[in-house]
Amino acid sequence: GEDVEQSLFLSVREGDSSVINCTYTDSSSTYLYWYKQEPGAGLQLLTYIFSNMDMKQDQRLTVLLNKKDKHLSLRIADTQTGDSAIYFCAEIMEYGNKLVFGAGTILRVKS
Amino acid sequence: GAVVSQHPSRVICKSGTSVKIECRSLDFQATTMFWYRQFPKQSLMLMATSNEGSKATYEQGVEKDKFLINHASLTLSTLTVTSAHPEDSSFYICSALVGTARETQYFGPGTRLLVL
Repeated sequence: GEDVEQSLFLSVREGDSSVINCTYTDSSSTYLYWYKQEPGAGLQLLTYIFSNMDMKQDQRLTVLLNKKDKHLSLRIADTQTGDSAIYFCAEIMEYGNKLVFGAGTILRVKS
Repeated sequence: GAVVSQHPSRVICKSGTSVKIECRSLDFQATTMFWYRQFPKQSLMLMATSNEGSKATYEQGVEKDKFLINHASLTLSTLTVTSAHPEDSSFYICSALVGTARETQYFGPGTRLLVL
């Protein structure tokens, strides 16, 4: 079945690194995504990783994928107050375009 | 990236009325759009997949007569909440698929619906 789980809350100090974790259950996932949602707004696609990759870096963002453990993480380097938001991981199956979202992790950055 | 807009951004209506929400792809054509619902402090739940020129595909548990979806053009999908009730109050978000590439699904800013 499809199930994506995330920790609910993370608090970090400005300038520190943030690591948001996600686990998924469906081994047929092909793409895994990280989205950012600010209060009252839609979702912004931050980055995604294909399932045959184990790492992807994009400026301050690093995505790590452990396919064996079905574990995905998003690391934000030099976290800023503007990074405070809800972060959703999501997976997409091998067939179809349906995104399955985790519950979201609230990231709070303290200055 | 591609831009998806929604209108209105916020709507308040009386119980029993119908509300139409528009989702537009502004700078690209989208043969497939998706409608999600998000309750406060919860994740997004897919309601239906909207395909241009054909009937929408609804997820299990979503009433298709309650949530009417029309994807009449390659840049516009509409969601009509018919005979709205307070329990329909939610944040409705659409997304659009760019071409057939699965990784390029762009989200609209959402519509906050409050039914009194």
